[in-house]
Amino acid sequence: GQNIDQPTEMTATEGAIVQINCTYQTSGFNGLFWYQQHAGEAPTFLSYNVLDGLEEKGRFSSFLSRSKGYSYLLLKELQMKDSASYLCAVRDQTGGFKTIFGAGTRLFVKA
Amino acid sequence: EPEVTQTPSHQVTQMGQEVILRCVPISNHLYFYWYRQILGQKVEFLVSFYNNEISEKSEIFDDQFSVERPDGSNFTLKIRSTKLEDSAMYFCASSPSGMYGGNEQFFGPGTRLTVL
Repeated sequence: GQNIDQPTEMTATEGAIVQINCTYQTSGFNGLFWYQQHAGEAPTFLSYNVLDGLEEKGRFSSFLSRSKGYSYLLLKELQMKDSASYLCAVRDQTGGFKTIFGAGTRLFVKA
Repeated sequence: EPEVTQTPSHQVTQMGQEVILRCVPISNHLYFYWYRQILGQKVEFLVSFYNNEISEKSEIFDDQFSVERPDGSNFTLKIRSTKLEDSAMYFCASSPSGMYGGNEQFFGPGTRLTVL
């Protein structure tokens, strides 16, 4: 089966750096996504990792270790508008291709 | 910038009624998806669609659900006989590629379905 774990909530200060971790178990790993979701809105794509290592995109970076079943999303220079849920999602190719979402980490950015 | 659109934004229906949720994916995309999110819960995959057929579906996507691409632009999700537990936000998404490479999925704004 598949399982994705990420912390339920985190709080950080404006201007700081925060790291949101995600661990997963899946039999047919085929890529990991991070999405941002503001309350009442649709998820928006942040990053995609399929190979080990760090992908950097402006203030946001994502890291993947396939051997450890582990990823993190790093947010730098936090802004108040970064307060949102961050969803870790894994594409599983077992029996086809589908994307399994974690429950999300709700990030609160305080002044 | 092209975007995925969905109609209606909110649908209220009686239990047992059929509903059709509509989506217009981004025009040059090839892969289409439906997800649902029950209030306060995680996003759940329902179905993926490519080349005019279902390529993958989840356990949630039972015989009450069907998808269709009736023309070159629309992608619909039909629920034949709605149940109370079908109340959720339904998101349509599309991507330019599906299986290989960084296939960013672009989500529509969602249709909130309320079953009474």
